[in-house]
Amino acid sequence: GENVEQHPSTLSVQEGDSAVIKCTYSDSASNYFPWYKQELGKRPQLIIDIRSNVGEKKDQRIAVTLNKTAKHFSLHITETQPEDSAVYFCAASTGSNYQLIWGAGTKLIIKP
Amino acid sequence: GAVVSQHPSRVICKSGTSVKIECRSLDFQATTMFWYRQFPKQSLMLMATSNEGSKATYEQGVEKDKFLINHASLTLSTLTVTSAHPEDSSFYICSARVGFDYGYTFGSGTRLTVV
Repeated sequence: GENVEQHPSTLSVQEGDSAVIKCTYSDSASNYFPWYKQELGKRPQLIIDIRSNVGEKKDQRIAVTLNKTAKHFSLHITETQPEDSAVYFCAASTGSNYQLIWGAGTKLIIKP
Repeated sequence: GAVVSQHPSRVICKSGTSVKIECRSLDFQATTMFWYRQFPKQSLMLMATSNEGSKATYEQGVEKDKFLINHASLTLSTLTVTSAHPEDSSFYICSARVGFDYGYTFGSGTRLTVV
């Protein structure tokens, strides 16, 4: 079955700097890759997603890149702000029911 | 947008009792509902996938007799934790796939504490 690995587990960056979180997946049939932000005790919030027929997608300060050959995708956040501090999860959609398989999460800390 | 309403948001129950968690899709029909469990500082772990009108498919290691899932209609799916024990204390979240564009919507989660 699908396996999603996410790195790093914790990322601390200075406010204003960029942050990059990376994920790899194992199932070449996976075709949808969302990124979620989760605050403590809350539901995950979709921040950006990418489908397998696209290599890159950008939404203001957030971008996602996908390398299907290498089976990895990355989240890029530029000009980080204190409110970006949260736990971020990558996921891959797979299977006949399109289950989401989740990465382990990255705690992003923005230092003032 | 598509909304899934999840209740209760918090529940405290005594060890050995059962707890039912409901997820309702408010403005769309949820053919498939996913149930997750999330322990502190961990990722979401898929427990089971339920399709309307059929038996749920449980992930390996999830006891189907302990976590009863019912998806009798396109707008309601329930998870019942039977004979709950302290180790079942966790954050439970439901999620539904919306249409064919791969988007997912999540319930607000249920914090279960078994004492």
